[in-house]
Amino acid sequence: AQRVTQPEKLLSVFKGAPVELKCNYSYSGSPELFWYVQYSRQRLQLLLRHISRESIKGFTADLNKGETSFHLKKPFAQEEDSAMYYCANWVNSKLTFGKGITLSVRP
Amino acid sequence: DTEVTQTPKHLVMGMTNKKSLKCEQHMGHRAMYWYKQKAKKPPELMFVYSYEKLSINESVPSRFSPECPNSSLLNLHLHALQPEDSALYLCASSEGTSFYEQYFGPGTRLTVT
Repeated sequence: AQRVTQPEKLLSVFKGAPVELKCNYSYSGSPELFWYVQYSRQRLQLLLRHISRESIKGFTADLNKGETSFHLKKPFAQEEDSAMYYCANWVNSKLTFGKGITLSVRP
Repeated sequence: DTEVTQTPKHLVMGMTNKKSLKCEQHMGHRAMYWYKQKAKKPPELMFVYSYEKLSINESVPSRFSPECPNSSLLNLHLHALQPEDSALYLCASSEGTSFYEQYFGPGTRLTVT
């Protein structure tokens, strides 16, 4: 099955520390990959999509076809980055989410 | 208006009740979705509507019945639910059914007693 895998459930860092949220995919073609974020008491929203190659709120994600990865990175974490992050891929007209990772940024 | 709205926010229903969830968007999106999200789990796709026609049903039990009366509205009719159906039900919309950004509503928290 074509899926995304988020190997970690929780990442806890101090403010100012670098962040890397891991996402691996299993897809033989050209994947359509996304990162969605859900802040506490807020709706799920798109953070990044790989085809746009842009930086949102200081986050970037590069598609690495060799490693089949789409890790989300930020050089200096902020407390307001604390949230649940989902990697997702678009396959067969459906958006399928990974299990998600909780990012906790401590002051 | 760039939001997806959902009503009600919370719903408690018995196993013999009939209720409906409502979703609305006025962004001109032609695709609308229902997802089910259990606590600490990712959203799971239930139904996809494209141009007001049901295009995907992820083998959802018939006690869940979707309806798309027009391009702005999406309903989910509930009947004879089970306690395990208790979850957050999310509606989303997108410009089309390709890999467009999906805009999510805040969800309806459903509890089946």
